[in-house]
Amino acid sequence: QSALTQPPSASGSPGQSVTISCTGTSSDVGANNYVSWYQQHPGKAPRLMMYEVSKRPSGVPDRFSGSKSGNTASLTVSGLQPDDEADYYCCSYAGNNNLEFGTGTKVTVL
Amino acid sequence: QLQLQESGPGLVKPPETLSLTCTVSGGSIISSGYYWGWIRQPPGKGLEWIGSCYYTGRPYYHPSLKSRVTISVDTSKNQFSLKLTSVTAADTAVYYCAGPDFYYFDHWGQGTLVTVSS
Repeated sequence: QSALTQPPSASGSPGQSVTISCTGTSSDVGANNYVSWYQQHPGKAPRLMMYEVSKRPSGVPDRFSGSKSGNTASLTVSGLQPDDEADYYCCSYAGNNNLEFGTGTKVTVL
Repeated sequence: QLQLQESGPGLVKPPETLSLTCTVSGGSIISSGYYWGWIRQPPGKGLEWIGSCYYTGRPYYHPSLKSRVTISVDTSKNQFSLKLTSVTAADTAVYYCAGPDFYYFDHWGQGTLVTVSS
């Protein structure tokens, strides 16, 4: 069991879209729909942004969307805003009652 | 609205045991289907799931920490706890408690920094 792979960084200008990938294996991301995404601002606790691949918790703007294809899940942020600048982490059920987080992606709003 | 708050020593000497408690307010820790978890984040690094515990006390741990971790629930105090034995500098991290689902965490504590140093 090892951390899911995310790109270290991603960026976009205000109003543009950015997509973050989360690559696992057929034992975790590819095996179920229990993929979640978290946003973390510096010095703050993570905030749930997406669960079960594409479900948004109450209060999360519909600018955030999630999807999955095979062993890779993705989080897309549309209409980038300055407050979207943060670290983003994916998390997947990895079987045998285990969870695995991704390596994290720093999103910069240019 | 559930609120979680971590508490415990901010400094632990190696190879002692790290002990933290998470107090849950705004809801009952024994609500059916609720799981309570611990996640940590070393300084400047990513998140790591430590483990989760069902409200009845059935725990699940990350394979890499399984031999050193104990998570338990105290229903009388609406709290759950983390114990990590034989700590080293590599266990220095911000420790978060979170819940109440097993597969994702929509309520988090603010986090508490635990430094392992002699």
